[in-house]
Amino acid sequence: AQRVTQPEKLLSVFKGAPVELKCNYSYSGSPELFWYVQYSRQRLQLLLRHISRESIKGFTADLNKGETSFHLKKPFAQEEDSAMYYCALTSQGAQKLVFGQGTRLTINP
Amino acid sequence: GAGVSQSPSNKVTEKGKDVELRCDPISGHTALYWYRQSLGQGLEFLIYFQGNSAPDKSGLPSDRFSAERTGGSVSTLTIQRTQQEDSAVYLCASSLGAGLSGELFFGEGSRLTVL
Repeated sequence: AQRVTQPEKLLSVFKGAPVELKCNYSYSGSPELFWYVQYSRQRLQLLLRHISRESIKGFTADLNKGETSFHLKKPFAQEEDSAMYYCALTSQGAQKLVFGQGTRLTINP
Repeated sequence: GAGVSQSPSNKVTEKGKDVELRCDPISGHTALYWYRQSLGQGLEFLIYFQGNSAPDKSGLPSDRFSAERTGGSVSTLTIQRTQQEDSAVYLCASSLGAGLSGELFFGEGSRLTVL
């Protein structure tokens, strides 16, 4: 079965500090991983996907198959990064995303 | 509008009553999903529709939950004999086609409170 675990429900860091949101997954096949973000009073939206190997708003995430992880990182946090972040998993040909429990990130001034 | 539209945005009901939640996906999107968002539970998959195929109902938590999608467009999620544990935000999402690319477009959600 597919499972996504985000061990931190809440994460608080100071502006300018590095931030890392952890995501671990359980899946025996070839996974596709994503990060979704929900800012205050906005819709849930895609932040980035591992197959694109892109950096969005300064965030990056590397898929580590050995550790079954897909942690989201940013070297210098900004106040506008405060939001709810969800890690999500699917597999090739699958029809649905499996989401983690989410991590609420707060950036303190 | 260009986005996924959901109604009502807020619904307060008494335990035991039935509720209907509506979702209008982005025009041209053939795939439609319902998720439930509750504190501490993350996003829980409920049901998935793709074109004229039989829906994937594997996430529906009980037989009190059902959903329809008429004409390949608008969807209605119905909860019968609501219970307090049904209180949550119900999110609808659509995507362009079969074979998930990962880009789901979400609505603003319907917040259900069961008293």
